[in-house]
Amino acid sequence: GAVVSQHPSWVICKSGTSVKIECRSLDFQATTMFWYRQFPKQSLMLMATSNEGSKATYEQGVEKDKFLINHASLTLSTLTVTSAHPEDSSFYICSAVTGVNSPLHFGNGTRLTVT
Amino acid sequence: DQQVKQNSPSLSVQEGRISILNCDYTNSMFDYFLWYKKYPAEGPTFLISISSIKDKNEDGRFTVFLNKSAKHLSLHIVPSQPGDSAVYFCAASARASSRDDKIIFGKGTRLHILP
Repeated sequence: GAVVSQHPSWVICKSGTSVKIECRSLDFQATTMFWYRQFPKQSLMLMATSNEGSKATYEQGVEKDKFLINHASLTLSTLTVTSAHPEDSSFYICSAVTGVNSPLHFGNGTRLTVT
Repeated sequence: DQQVKQNSPSLSVQEGRISILNCDYTNSMFDYFLWYKKYPAEGPTFLISISSIKDKNEDGRFTVFLNKSAKHLSLHIVPSQPGDSAVYFCAASARASSRDDKIIFGKGTRLHILP
């Protein structure tokens, strides 16, 4: 089946530094990738939708200058948390689709801890 | 405003019995519903889906029922097995009226299967 690889699986960084999270579709071309954030005991919250070669569409309340998304190719999207702060500590998950109305394939997520 | 609601944060069911997870939605434009299963520190995995033109979809031990008039759906797992212990997310999208596959998730229900 379709595999989405997310890297790193966990990262600890100091406040003020930037962290990049990669999301790769290993055996299919992802026309669209989604980035989610999950807080403890809360739902998966969609942060942004990215289409290859175009700017990401951010959900209301998500700071686009803080969460930089680059969808450089049909198999790779990156999320960069810039100038991270402790409140950015969370579980970030990416997902990818091959086309409209196709199933979502999720990565295993990245646990970010900002100290 | 929560468009997809899972009002039970947790549920405990005896092994071998039926597990019933409930989900309510408020957006009448939703026409496609999905259930995802999630283990700790992993991304969600797709379980089963249902289109609004149906009221039931069955796949092995998993059955999803949709009641459009009540804006309610449920996931039945029978018989429940220890490996079913996980968090289950209900999700919905408005495919016919949306240009992308944005999916709205509920907060999840943690299912414990008791030996």
